[in-house]
Amino acid sequence: KAGVTQTPRYLIKTRGQQVTLSCSPISGHRSVSWYQQTPGQGLQFLFEYFSETQRNKGNFPGRFSGRQFSNSRSEMNVSTLELGDSALYLCASSLPGTQNEQFFGPGTRLTVL
Amino acid sequence: ELKVEQNPLFLSMQEGKNYTIYCNYSTTSDRLYWYRQDPGKSLESLFVLLSNGAVKQEGRLMASLDTKARLSTLHITAAVHDLSATYFCAGMPMKTSYDKVIFGPGTSLSVIP
Repeated sequence: KAGVTQTPRYLIKTRGQQVTLSCSPISGHRSVSWYQQTPGQGLQFLFEYFSETQRNKGNFPGRFSGRQFSNSRSEMNVSTLELGDSALYLCASSLPGTQNEQFFGPGTRLTVL
Repeated sequence: ELKVEQNPLFLSMQEGKNYTIYCNYSTTSDRLYWYRQDPGKSLESLFVLLSNGAVKQEGRLMASLDTKARLSTLHITAAVHDLSATYFCAGMPMKTSYDKVIFGPGTSLSVIP
């Protein structure tokens, strides 16, 4: 079974630009969550989607948005990039159920210059 | 709001020794997760702990959960160099928020020959 895939793996952008990251969950997984990982703030929850609906959102500004498609693939978008948005963005998918064990993708390393 | 703390944050230990990483959380959590992250890599799920008194073991790692004390431990037995990584514990707030997982700051473990 293929794991969670994320594209692109690396991105370099400049301040003010916008970026779209993509995540394909494990087949059959309908929940997709996004996290931002930085050395200073650690792993922070961005949002979670299930059946094309955002069920949870973390404490991030409105510049961070996402969506999920009918095939469970998800995208996140960051507009008006700031230097502080440089981070590893991780996507995780899970099956609904008691454990809600999340399986993480390899991440997208975003650098904002 | 659920907060997750870990200690120590940094741990350097000799091969063959035993040690325990502690994870405290601030409010009742539905479940407790342990993840491992190698440098530059994504997160790998180690354990899912669902109930008070739960104990799980995999190789040299053993995790336990005490929901009354709001404490989980990750015990390392006879450490080997391959266990060098950052270990995260994470909780899920009760009655939420489905897959809103809150991570601790991580414990960076270095096993020295």
